Amino acid sequence: AQSVTQLDSQVPVFEEAPVELRCNYSSSVSVYLFWYVQYPNQGLQLLLKYLSGSTLVESINGFEAEFNKSQTSFHLRKPSVHISDTAEYFCAVRGPNAGKSTFGDGTTLTVKP
Amino acid sequence: NAGVMQNPRHLVRRRGQEARLRCSPMKGHSHVYWYRQLPEEGLKFMVYLQKENIIDESGMPKERFSAEFPKEGPSILRIQQVVRGDSAAYFCASSPPGQGPSPLHFGNGTRLTVT
Repeated sequence: AQSVTQLDSQVPVFEEAPVELRCNYSSSVSVYLFWYVQYPNQGLQLLLKYLSGSTLVESINGFEAEFNKSQTSFHLRKPSVHISDTAEYFCAVRGPNAGKSTFGDGTTLTVKP
Repeated sequence: NAGVMQNPRHLVRRRGQEARLRCSPMKGHSHVYWYRQLPEEGLKFMVYLQKENIIDESGMPKERFSAEFPKEGPSILRIQQVVRGDSAAYFCASSPPGQGPSPLHFGNGTRLTVT
């Protein structure tokens, strides 16, 4: 069985400040890790993914996440946020044999001017 | 638009009625997943289907809920005799065949309101 814990339900930050959204997971097998973003009244969109190889992965809009196997974490970071980054962010894990993905409860990022 | 299509976007039902939610996966995708999102909560897995087969229904309530993905046509999530607690956003996602680590592609959801 797999589980995902997102440690912060709400993260308010000011524009241009750095941000970290924390994600820890639990699994008895190796997993693939994902971050998704959800804007109001929309579905989830993939932000970035860790499958294998380099433990630091980046998205096209400045977010990055680092896979830390010893700490079973996959925290999401951005050095300077924009108002448009305001959204709900979900961390997810998926086992090696496809099947369902397990999601955390989400973190609401609110970027204030 | 070749994305995951869900309809209707909004659905209002009175208690005791039936709700039918439809999902057409992305072109070339044969795996469909249904998730439910309650207000202020994350996504809870309901069911995973491939064409004509239910692969994992461990998240489905034992009664009133059913899902299908026929050989032709969209996947259907059916809720019989709806109750107020069924009010939620229901999301469908799809992924391509094969056992690779593909991310999920989500539709925009159906927001069910039970009055």
